[in-house]
Amino acid sequence: DIQMTQSPSSLSASVGDRVTITCRASQTFSSYLNWYQQKPGKAPILLIYTASNLHSGVTSRFSGSGSGTEFNLTISDLQPEDFATYYCQQSYNAPRTFGQGTRVDVK
Amino acid sequence: QVHLVQSGSEVTKPGASVKISCKSSGYTFTSYGISWVRQAPGQGLEWMGWISTFNGDTKYSEKFQDRVTMTTDTSTNTAYMELGSLRGDDTAVYFCARDLAFFVPTVYFEFWGQGTLVTVSS
Repeated sequence: DIQMTQSPSSLSASVGDRVTITCRASQTFSSYLNWYQQKPGKAPILLIYTASNLHSGVTSRFSGSGSGTEFNLTISDLQPEDFATYYCQQSYNAPRTFGQGTRVDVK
Repeated sequence: QVHLVQSGSEVTKPGASVKISCKSSGYTFTSYGISWVRQAPGQGLEWMGWISTFNGDTKYSEKFQDRVTMTTDTSTNTAYMELGSLRGDDTAVYFCARDLAFFVPTVYFEFWGQGTLVTVSS
């Protein structure tokens, strides 16, 4: 199985900050990496697909980069609605593993 | 628009089975697939498996291989996930998500069900 490791596991930030979350894979798989946002009690929401493509309707404050084994999700100009937990997921093969999540909360 | 509506919460006993439904609307059901993802309380997301609503092919995570069954009913546009031999650590919210008709890497989960809470307790 491909193991996905996110860092940090949690971070505290302020409105207006720029935040970067890293996802590292245990083996390379090109760009088959997606990012989701989840708020408590809700289903995840797709933000970025295939590493760097912004999903329709998602604010351009979110961006993704990387390939191979290291990927980043960047949130520029953090807004109140961005405080949530973020997950990466590899779609390269089964099982389609998720990272453990990164919680972004208010400093 | 696309909707995936799941069945309601379940309370079951250890050793029993649970079957959750996921009814799709707003798209051609047999042109896609369904993945199932679960989330234990306070924990992360865990992919359980996939079924093609096009041809019934399945791919399960090895972790669940021996006790999960995914099926579809194309007459009602509904996917089902049955998990057997339940244990306390199967207590979780179970989500369905629209996947592709074939198990390919270029997939992302754009549409999700609302989640079904399964509580396993004696």
